[in-house]
Amino acid sequence: GAVVSQHPSRVICKSGTSVKIECRSLDFQATTMFWYRQFPKKSLMLMATSNEGSKATYEQGVEKDKFLINHASLTLSTLTVTSAHPEDSSFYICSAREARRDIQYFGAGTRLSVL
Amino acid sequence: EDQVTQSPEALRLQEGESSSLNCSYTVSGLRGLFWYRQDPGKGPEFLFTLYSAGEEKEKERLKATLTKKESFLHITAPKPEDSATYLCAVHLFNNYGQNFVFGPGTRLSVLP
Repeated sequence: GAVVSQHPSRVICKSGTSVKIECRSLDFQATTMFWYRQFPKKSLMLMATSNEGSKATYEQGVEKDKFLINHASLTLSTLTVTSAHPEDSSFYICSAREARRDIQYFGAGTRLSVL
Repeated sequence: EDQVTQSPEALRLQEGESSSLNCSYTVSGLRGLFWYRQDPGKGPEFLFTLYSAGEEKEKERLKATLTKKESFLHITAPKPEDSATYLCAVHLFNNYGQNFVFGPGTRLSVLP
């Protein structure tokens, strides 16, 4: 199956710093990538949809200036959590959509802990 | 309103005890239904995609089926390594364009 690589897998940072998470599709081109947030024992909450070469579409309630998304190429999307605060601590997961089969493949997730 | 529900919320089985997980949806413009497995602290792993009512897919001890209103994930003679959260998601068209909607998941525990 298709492989999506997400880095880092875990990051601990101080309050007020910015954190960048990378999501790469390794063996297919992804015109669309998705960013999710997941709370303990809860399902995935879609944060934004990212299309290559255009601005991301954010879900209602997600701050665009807090969660910056860049999708500069067909294989890479990044999520930057700006001025992170403890309430931003969560599990962030990206996915890349293989257009030919319309399937989302997920990265392994990033555990963000803001102290 | 487009909605995806899953039942049961949690399920405990003895090794070898077959059962089924349910995913019900009320959506317009269904394009496809997906099943994923998620282990704690990991991203979801793709299992199946189903596109039309009556379609079935199988993989090892798992079999997914689809009707016009729901999908079932049948687990035959499960093993402890099948313990995970199983998520279903629907890909749909609505007034806002394309969208993927995930269900809340079923946490499966298979006891040896």
